[in-house]
Amino acid sequence: DGGITQSPKYLFRKEGQNVTLSCEQNLNHDAMYWYRQDPGQGLRLIYYSQIVNDFQKGDIAEGYSVSREKKESFPLTVTSAQKNPTAFYLCASSIPTALNQPQHFGDGTRLSIL
Amino acid sequence: AQKVTQAQTEISVVEKEDVTLDCVYETRDTTYYLFWYKQPPSGELVFLIRRNSFDEQNEISGRYSWNFQKSTSSFNFTITASQVVDSAVYFCALSGATYSGAGSYQLTFGKGTKLSVIP
Repeated sequence: DGGITQSPKYLFRKEGQNVTLSCEQNLNHDAMYWYRQDPGQGLRLIYYSQIVNDFQKGDIAEGYSVSREKKESFPLTVTSAQKNPTAFYLCASSIPTALNQPQHFGDGTRLSIL
Repeated sequence: AQKVTQAQTEISVVEKEDVTLDCVYETRDTTYYLFWYKQPPSGELVFLIRRNSFDEQNEISGRYSWNFQKSTSSFNFTITASQVVDSAVYFCALSGATYSGAGSYQLTFGKGTKLSVIP
């Protein structure tokens, strides 16, 4: 079945450590997105990518980095510069140039600080 | 700038009651789409419906119905005869024709309404 796979489901980070969240899709979508969800805050866009080897900052990109070397994959690295990384992270994909196309979401990764 | 407001943070209803989730939006675009997503306890967001800015027809799908009123910038969602399985966080989102840089039509989400259906 086509869909988006995020791993791991739960992740713990030590102080000063970088961690990488995986996102893979087999929907053949060109666009991929990373969101952060905090309680009562809704979803906030971290980074998005329209095509391979291209990505743009969203509203809260500081302390995060991404890469898009393959169409299917859009990993997110939470760096040590992100001082408050505890949150639920959601990856999504869509057809990029269609205003009406819904984004399809993965199951999320819950990141906590040790 | 786009903005979506879901004023109801949490709602509790008894099973079989009807419940309406409110969504009010702001945009300067004349062409835009509105979406509703459901987030069950498992975490993934499930797409429910979309409506474009030129189509104010209300829609019914089983126990779900949506009321889009451009005059009040509202896109409300009603669940009829609620069930325990409807318990989730529901998000309203807006996609406007204004896009940045690489041409991404970004989604702006409301903060969500947590619905609890009590058996």
